Amino acid sequence: DTAVSQTPKYLVTQMGNDKSIKCEQNLGHDTMYWYKQDSKKFLKIMFSYNNKELIINETVPNRFSPKSPDKAHLNLHINSLELGDSAVYFCASSPVTGGDEQYFGPGTRLTVT
Amino acid sequence: GENVEQHPSTLSVQEGDSAVIKCTYSDSASNYFPWYKQELGKRPQLIIDIRSNVGEKKDQRIAVTLNKTAKHFSLHITETQPEDSAVYFCAATGYKLSFGAGTTVTVRA
Repeated sequence: DTAVSQTPKYLVTQMGNDKSIKCEQNLGHDTMYWYKQDSKKFLKIMFSYNNKELIINETVPNRFSPKSPDKAHLNLHINSLELGDSAVYFCASSPVTGGDEQYFGPGTRLTVT
Repeated sequence: GENVEQHPSTLSVQEGDSAVIKCTYSDSASNYFPWYKQELGKRPQLIIDIRSNVGEKKDQRIAVTLNKTAKHFSLHITETQPEDSAVYFCAATGYKLSFGAGTTVTVRA
């Protein structure tokens, strides 16, 4: 019954590795998002997809590559991980882009050592 | 783009007292203003929202006010309870949601 799910919940890896986080929503929403929440709790949007098309890309290093195989899934692949990538990554979805409630996934805590 | 400022960054209140969090935004085209509550280790969840054609909205102990002319909006929590302790985020959106930096609310029993 989970509306927005993410895997894994925790991810510990070493610098230089490549990792992926997966997100799925069963709400039938058209728009999905990736947010990064740093240690100071600031929530910053990274990407947004509407019906599999990228619509927001917020000055994120190109080591981060989102992929949306269909409108229910939005995955995030990160190459050459750096210490500064350590954060909690939240996936979210909304019925439309912009002016509507966003439903967040449980988050993935990424720790880069 | 939209810039949302939120104050205060921390707020400690006695149980039963009221809590007020204020936000300002920069983009006059913003038309949707949600508030999210994030408990420790959990996901942000919407607690109340307001659209630009409304000045005030209330849901039990929480209320939000919006002043479009001044470009600011506020969250009011009355009769605070320990379970209100959390981080609260305001946000404003035109085509994307921009979040404030968050307010850590602690309700003292």
